Amino acid sequence: DTGVSQDPRHKITKRGQNVTFRCDPISEHNRLYWYRQTLGQGPEFLTYFQNEAQLEKSRLLSDRFSAERPKGSFSTLEIQRTEQGDSAMYLCASSSLLDEQFFGPGTRLTVL
Amino acid sequence: DQQVKQNSPSLSVQEGRISILNCDYTNSMFDYFLWYKKYPAEGPTFLISISSIKDKNEDGRFTVFLNKSAKHLSLHIVPSQPGDSAVYFCAASEGGGGADGLTFGKGTHLIIQP
Repeated sequence: DTGVSQDPRHKITKRGQNVTFRCDPISEHNRLYWYRQTLGQGPEFLTYFQNEAQLEKSRLLSDRFSAERPKGSFSTLEIQRTEQGDSAMYLCASSSLLDEQFFGPGTRLTVL
Repeated sequence: DQQVKQNSPSLSVQEGRISILNCDYTNSMFDYFLWYKKYPAEGPTFLISISSIKDKNEDGRFTVFLNKSAKHLSLHIVPSQPGDSAVYFCAASEGGGGADGLTFGKGTHLIIQP
């Protein structure tokens, strides 16, 4: 296992469409995180899971955003009814309980 | 309200000299601090961290200093090398080591001049 992977790397969509991103963490890591990064800003924490339990979701940006990790392995982040303001880099990270977070390369979303 | 601030958007340093990147925070509940490095088109890469019970942590060319009373930390890189050119993010967390949601600064773009 060489690290955290994210798919797709780039996504272009039209306003109003739904999009879903996938993250595969490092296999032995039980925590998985989602962040959003906009131009000129640092990553902004959205939500995280420990195994399949979502421990924090109050930081999701709106009710159009949802995340799942059904079997405690890969995770998906869905954005419904996309808006132009959703254009950003979406980063996934994973860690063990007492370890630093390792980030994937990100999915760049462009909403036209 | 930005809880982690990196007030220098960019910093240019000559190869072989020391690079000092600064970070300030406002949330007194932060007790664990990390530095990440980011190259274009890649995710952030962990560099070094420090717990609030320490005031210094070293790892090779990288040293992080923490001044809790001033709510300030700094990353020293010595000697600076061309491969150090990247964006550096300061991050902080409350009560969970590095394994809770992190609060990041806006980053400092470090440019190492030959």
